[in-house]
Amino acid sequence: KNQVEQSPQSLIILEGKNCTLQCNYTVSPFSNLRWYKQDTGRGPVSLTIMTFSENTKSNGRYTATLDADTKQSSLHITASQLSDSASYICVVRASSGTYKYIFGTGTRLKVLA
Amino acid sequence: EAGVAQSPRYKIIEKRQSVAFWCNPISGHATLYWYQQILGQGPKLLIQFQNNGVVDDSQLPKDRFSAERLKGVDSTLKIQPAKLEDSAVYLCASSRAGTDSSYNEQFFGPGTRLTVL
Repeated sequence: KNQVEQSPQSLIILEGKNCTLQCNYTVSPFSNLRWYKQDTGRGPVSLTIMTFSENTKSNGRYTATLDADTKQSSLHITASQLSDSASYICVVRASSGTYKYIFGTGTRLKVLA
Repeated sequence: EAGVAQSPRYKIIEKRQSVAFWCNPISGHATLYWYQQILGQGPKLLIQFQNNGVVDDSQLPKDRFSAERLKGVDSTLKIQPAKLEDSAVYLCASSRAGTDSSYNEQFFGPGTRLTVL
């Protein structure tokens, strides 16, 4: 069964600190993996996308990694800011089958001053 | 470019009533998606259109949900009659390329928050 699991479910950190969010998937065949940021009351916005051959992708203070062998991805946030408070959703796209986009349940991050 | 527009932003109805949501995708985007996001969960695909044709509606509860995309541009999603468990945020997304593109980025609207009492 195609699944995407994220951990932790929620996280609280102090402003300026770093954090890492995890995403494990069982989607096959794999096409790509995206990390989205979803602010409260808004739709998700794409942060990074990685295909099978890419193992690191950065977008400012956000760095995503992908290990296609272990089917794991992480999103590292450096020097967190209050505006980073949001839900972060991992989405894996299958290259065939009915459910082409499989969404994780997200990690809710809260950055405190 | 203008983003995906949705209306209304909020809707409160009683169970067994009907409700409709509207979505206007980014201009030129061929693919349109409707998602249901229950509080604390990730979005679940309800239906996917390619132009005005349905690509995937396998998770759409067809006894009460319906969607259309006439003329291949904007779209409406209807629930009739609503149940308590339909309370959720309904997200609309659009993408430029066809379903076979590996880099097909979805752009999401702000969503419509539905509360069924």
